[in-house]
Order: sequence, then structure tokens, then C-alpha cells
Amino acid sequence: GAVVSQHPSWVICKSGTSVKIECRSLDFQATTMFWYRQFPKQSLMLMATSNEGSKATYEQGVEKDKFLINHASLTLSTLTVTSAHPEDSSFYICSARDSSGGGQFFGPGTRLTVL
Amino acid sequence: AQSVTQLGSHVSVSEGALVLLRCNYSSSVPPYLFWYVQYPNQGLQLLLKYTTGATLVKGINGFEAEFKKSETSFHLTKPSAHMSDAAEYFCAVSRAGSQGNLIFGKGTKLSVKP
Repeated sequence: GAVVSQHPSWVICKSGTSVKIECRSLDFQATTMFWYRQFPKQSLMLMATSNEGSKATYEQGVEKDKFLINHASLTLSTLTVTSAHPEDSSFYICSARDSSGGGQFFGPGTRLTVL
Repeated sequence: AQSVTQLGSHVSVSEGALVLLRCNYSSSVPPYLFWYVQYPNQGLQLLLKYTTGATLVKGINGFEAEFKKSETSFHLTKPSAHMSDAAEYFCAVSRAGSQGNLIFGKGTKLSVKP
């Protein structure tokens, strides 16, 4: 089946630093990737839709200057949390839509802890 | 607008018992419906999905769900629970035929007692 990877799987950083999270579709091309955020014991909340070669579309209330998204190729999207603060600590999950119509697949998630 | 309501944030069953996780949706357009399972500190794994056609959908690990338009429901069932079924389950909806994103319910944590 289709595989989506995320790197790193977990990261701890100091407040004020920036963290980059990668999302890769390993065996299919994805013109569209989605970034979700999940707080403990809560559901996934869509943060933004990432489209290859164009600007990401952010959901209401998500700061685009804080959560930078780059979808530079058909297999890679990155989420950079800039000037991270403790309230940004969360589980970030990406998903990738198979461009050939094969469905949407989720990555394993990245746990971010900001001290 | 679309939304998903999962009744019961926590369901506990005995091993071997029937599993029933409830999901109701709201959609002004024909929906695509999904059930995902999430194990601790992991991403989401697709259990099954309904797009068109047969309303009873069979998925992995013995799970199935039935799309009932009249009840706007898509409940997930499994005849006999296994210890390995203990996880968080999410119901999701998207616009049919589109490339739109998924709208998730709040999730139901399933516990299985020996």
C-alpha cells in the first residue's frame, strides 16, 4: 500500500527556535498534502492544504507566517513552525493524496515538544 | 458545511463481545465517509470507506460499517472484539467526488477488557 513518512517522528526544542517537519509520499505522487494538528485526547484539526508548486491554503485561525508550508515536489511537503512556543507543542500529522486517484494516506505523525 | 458527531468518547467492551462505534454526519452534498484507527503515538490507518455503491462496507481487521442515508449514520461494528482492537477510532467525512479535505469527528477510544 501507499506509504507516507514523516521526519522527525519526535522533536524537542527550546522556545523561540524553528522546527521543520517533512512529509514524504514514498511510492506515489501527491499534488496535494494536508497538515493536521492533534492535541492530546482530541481529534485532528486541519491546519492547511499544501499544493505542489503553489501557495498553501490555510484554515481560519492558523497563522501562515508561523506555520510555513512548502510543497516543492510531488513527493515532499514541509511544515516549519517558526519561533516555536510551548503552546505549539502538539502532534502534527500530514496526509498525502495520491494524484492518480488512489486515495489519501496519513503519515505516522511528529510529536513536537517546545520547552 | 459538513460535520461529524461520534457518540461516546469512550467505549469499553469485553474480549469477544460486539463492538459498536457510532458516527452521525451532516452534509449538504453526497458524502464520502471514512473510519480510521489510531494507535498511541501513531498516525491514522484507514479501516474502511464508503464512496458509492453498496452501503455495507467491509474493512480490515474484521470491521464493517453501514451507510444509512435516512439516518445520516455510518456506525462501525465488529462481531467479536480482540484485545488488539483497543485504540482510538475516528469517523470522517469529505465531499463526494472532490479532492477536498477530511472533516474528523472527535474520536472514540475503544477499550477491550480480557
